[in-house]
Amino acid sequence: EDKVVQSPLSLVVHEGDTVTLNCSYEVTNFRSLLWYKQEKKAPTFLFMLTSSGIEKKSGRLSSILDKKELFSILNITATQTGDSAVYLCAVRRNNNDMRFGAGTRLTVKP
Amino acid sequence: DSGVTQTPKHLITATGQRVTLRCSPRSGDLSVYWYQQSLDQGLQFLIQYYNGEERAKGNILERFSAQQFPDLHSELNLSSLELGDSALYFCASSVVGGGYTFGSGTRLTVV
Repeated sequence: EDKVVQSPLSLVVHEGDTVTLNCSYEVTNFRSLLWYKQEKKAPTFLFMLTSSGIEKKSGRLSSILDKKELFSILNITATQTGDSAVYLCAVRRNNNDMRFGAGTRLTVKP
Repeated sequence: DSGVTQTPKHLITATGQRVTLRCSPRSGDLSVYWYQQSLDQGLQFLIQYYNGEERAKGNILERFSAQQFPDLHSELNLSSLELGDSALYFCASSVVGGGYTFGSGTRLTVV
């Protein structure tokens, strides 16, 4: 059965800390892996990764995919209170549906 | 504003009832995806439509059905509602740089 597993489930850090969120997957017909940030409402898109070893970067956020070991990490450096959210990992399959992990709830304290 | 419009934003109904959730994708987008998000299940893929045709099906109950109309808006019909159907229902469309764009969701509460 297809699985997308995120760890940790929750994380509390202080402003300025660096965090690493993990996502491992076992999915048939893998096409790409996506990261989303969800605050109060709808998830907002962060990154899409299709190739191993190529880092995607946006400001203080970066992500990389390892298709051999079937995992991805999302790094956030110099965290701010505005980074507090649930971070969702999703795997898109060839038929275009996406399977989501349960998410990592990040709390950044001042 | 993501460009994906969902109505209503909130819905409260009784067990056994039927409701219809509506989604309009971004202008020009042909695909609509429906997701259910509950506290204990996370985001679950329900169904996808592409240009009026069902394209992929996930964990959608038989009590639930969907369709996409010629103007590309979609409706998700939930019938014989149970307490456990209370959840956020999201619609998504398109691939923005590879990612889907989600609507703001409909919060369904079954009492």
